[in-house]
Amino acid sequence: AQKVTQAQTEISVVEKEDVTLDCVYETRDTTYYLFWYKQPPSGELVFLIRRNSFDEQNEISGRYSWNFQKSTSSFNFTITASQVVDSAVYFCALRVPQSNTGNQFYFGTGTSLTVIP
Amino acid sequence: DAGVTQSPTHLIKTRGQQVTLRCSPKSGHDTVSWYQQALGQGPQFIFQYYEEEERQRGNFPDRFSGHQFPNYSSELNVNALLLGDSALYLCASSFRGQFYEQYFGPGTRLTVT
Repeated sequence: AQKVTQAQTEISVVEKEDVTLDCVYETRDTTYYLFWYKQPPSGELVFLIRRNSFDEQNEISGRYSWNFQKSTSSFNFTITASQVVDSAVYFCALRVPQSNTGNQFYFGTGTSLTVIP
Repeated sequence: DAGVTQSPTHLIKTRGQQVTLRCSPKSGHDTVSWYQQALGQGPQFIFQYYEEEERQRGNFPDRFSGHQFPNYSSELNVNALLLGDSALYLCASSFRGQFYEQYFGPGTRLTVT
């Protein structure tokens, strides 16, 4: 069975602080994809990053960075120098390829980030 | 380039009624997935449509049904509404051949009273 756990329900930081959002996943499949989505109050899920199980190279994109570690089944997300506009709910998701299109996602319960000015 | 659109934005129904939600995929996409997101929870997969057929289904009862049209747009139907069906319903589109990320619409907020 597939499962995504985001242990942090809510996080508050002061603007310009760094913040890391944790994600732990479970799957027995050797091929899988991990995602981070941002959901602002408007409700629309915004794609941030995708990683496949064969690519453990971590990445930095502007103020965002990701730490993927298969050994601990973790896919953590860090925002440096946080801004008020970063306030949103962040979801980690797992996709395991199925037959046909293989687009069934398993989402965590989300981490609500509040950046205080 | 139009993104995923959903209608209506908000909807209020009474227990026992039926509801139809609509979704138009992003231009160039041919696959539509539906998710239910209860308050404070992550989205839960309902089902996915491709080539006008339901391809995969999550753990939802038969009261939840759908349809995909030749233009790739899709409908989600829920019969015999329950209070627990109150949620944000998200539609996501993707393209079969790429296995890339899904693009989500803004959702339809359904309230059942």
